[in-house]
Amino acid sequence: AQRVTQPEKLLSVFKGAPVELKCNYSYSGSPELFWYVQYSRQRLQLLLRHISRESIKGFTADLNKGETSFHLKKPFAQEEDSAMYYCALRATGFQKLVFGTGTRLLVSP
Amino acid sequence: EPEVTQTPSHQVTQMGQEVILRCVPISNHLYFYWYRQILGQKVEFLVSFYNNEISEKSEIFDDQFSVERPDGSNFTLKIRSTKLEDSAMYFCASSPEGLGTEAFFGQGTRLTVV
Repeated sequence: AQRVTQPEKLLSVFKGAPVELKCNYSYSGSPELFWYVQYSRQRLQLLLRHISRESIKGFTADLNKGETSFHLKKPFAQEEDSAMYYCALRATGFQKLVFGTGTRLLVSP
Repeated sequence: EPEVTQTPSHQVTQMGQEVILRCVPISNHLYFYWYRQILGQKVEFLVSFYNNEISEKSEIFDDQFSVERPDGSNFTLKIRSTKLEDSAMYFCASSPEGLGTEAFFGQGTRLTVV
């Protein structure tokens, strides 16, 4: 079975500080990993996926198969980054996304 | 920008009643999904639907649940004989294809069973 773990429920940082939201997964095959973000009163939306290897809104995430991690990083947090962040996994051959419990990022001025 | 829309935004129902949650997926998408999130818990997959049939479902999606695409635009989730533990936020999502494509989520319907 696949599992996604986000150990932090809340991460509070000051504007301009670096941010790292942790995500670890459990899956024996080659996963597809995603980060979804949910801003206040908005829908879940895709932030980035490991396949595309791009930076969105200054965020990056690298898949580390050895450590089974897909941590989300941003060097300088902005207040508008405050949101709920969900890491998700899709196993090979499946359509469903398996989500972590989410981390609330709070960026203070 | 096209969006997945869900109605109603909040539904209150009595235990034992049937509810139908409605979704309009993005028009050229082929795959449709329902997820739910019980308060304080993770978003959980319920079911995926393609070509007018269920393509994947979780163990949560038992006989109490059913999905339908009654016309060319709507995608519904029916919950029969609701229980208190069915109270949750229900998210509809759609994707242009299945594997390897992004799922676009609706705003969710908050179902409260009393």
